[in-house]
Amino acid sequence: DGGITQSPKYLFRKEGQNVTLSCEQNLNHDAMYWYRQDPGQGLRLIYYSQIVNDFQKGDIAEGYSVSREKKESFPLTVTSAQKNPTAFYLCASRRLGTGQETQYFGPGTRLLVL
Amino acid sequence: QKEVEQNSGPLSVPEGAIASLNCTYSDRGSQSFFWYRQYSGKSPELIMFIYSNGDKEDGRFTAQLNKASQYVSLLIRDSQPSDSATYLCAVKLRPGNTPLVFGKGTRLSVIA
Repeated sequence: DGGITQSPKYLFRKEGQNVTLSCEQNLNHDAMYWYRQDPGQGLRLIYYSQIVNDFQKGDIAEGYSVSREKKESFPLTVTSAQKNPTAFYLCASRRLGTGQETQYFGPGTRLLVL
Repeated sequence: QKEVEQNSGPLSVPEGAIASLNCTYSDRGSQSFFWYRQYSGKSPELIMFIYSNGDKEDGRFTAQLNKASQYVSLLIRDSQPSDSATYLCAVKLRPGNTPLVFGKGTRLSVIA
């Protein structure tokens, strides 16, 4: 089955805790993205990566970190510095440079603070 | 001006009517345009993309692009209650491998 998987579906974070959200794709896409969506709000870009071992900050990178050690994987860590982490986190990917720039989303992870 | 703007709605249409969703964007050089549908609590799913001026039809959906006026629209014919969702417009505003810029979405409600 081809696509983008995110885990877990729900994640609970305690105060002062770092948590990591997983995103994996088997579409052979070059670029991967992390978005945050708050209730009734649009998508805000956190980080993105266009190639292995390289990534760029999006609009709201503070309090988050990422890595891209493999083309298929782009995990997001929500650090304790992120004071208001409760949100719906979406991972996406797309192929670059072909003109077929369609971007697809994973099913999302809902993060809640205890 | 915000880069990609949509009316937040809600837009209410009766079942069987045409729903018209609009999106304006700031950069005249924008190249690629996408419409996503997002049901409550779910992730966005791609409905259509359009790259050239004019209309593009896919089933009950038609995307319309007018680069001179910097707007892209989505028409949904024969609207069904199952079309009730938030519709997100996304634009590749700049050349190269830049991220898509998303509007905040328009909430559509189709009344049976």
